Amino acid sequence: DGGITQSPKYLFRKEGQNVTLSCEQNLNHDAMYWYRQDPGQGLRLIYYSQIVNDFQKGDIAEGYSVSREKKESFPLTVTSAQKNPTAFYLCASRSLAGSSYNEQFFGPGTRLTVL
Amino acid sequence: AQSVTQLDSHVSVSEGTPVLLRCNYSSSYSPSLFWYVQHPNKGLQLLLKYTSAATLVKGINGFEAEFKKSETSFHLTKPSAHMSDAAEYFCVVTLPMDSNYQLIWGAGTKLIIKP
Repeated sequence: DGGITQSPKYLFRKEGQNVTLSCEQNLNHDAMYWYRQDPGQGLRLIYYSQIVNDFQKGDIAEGYSVSREKKESFPLTVTSAQKNPTAFYLCASRSLAGSSYNEQFFGPGTRLTVL
Repeated sequence: AQSVTQLDSHVSVSEGTPVLLRCNYSSSYSPSLFWYVQHPNKGLQLLLKYTSAATLVKGINGFEAEFKKSETSFHLTKPSAHMSDAAEYFCVVTLPMDSNYQLIWGAGTKLIIKP
């Protein structure tokens, strides 16, 4: 089955640590996205990538980093510079062609908690 | 600038009664509009989308939405609520087609179903 997987489902981090959230897709989509979701708010874009080895900052990129070495993978690192990282993180992907080109497909999310 | 306003943060209805979740948008382009649903601690699932074809769009699970350009609205409705509809719903607008594609998210409406 095609889809997007995120791991881990739950992640706990001590203050001052960097952590990396995994996102993998087998939909052959060109574009991938990372969002942060906080209670009572809509999704906010952290980073996105439309092609391998290229990515763009979203609205709240500070304290985060990404890489896009493979089309299928778009890991997100939450660095110690992110002051309030406790949130639900969602990864999405999109095809840049075809009838569903403007539709994003989402993974199940990773809940990050800072202890 | 594009924006999306979901007029109610919470909507509570009794099982078997109609559901109305309101969404207004602002866009200087002809928009594509989506409704996504999110069950607790889950990723997002596309309910339906409007992409300049029919103004009345039917989605999954009995939901539908009507695009009204004169009112800049895209309200989500369902004739009869079911307990399984309890979730958070997001209205989303996109730029029609560009190299810096983004989704603009509403803040979400939490739908509560009373037995």
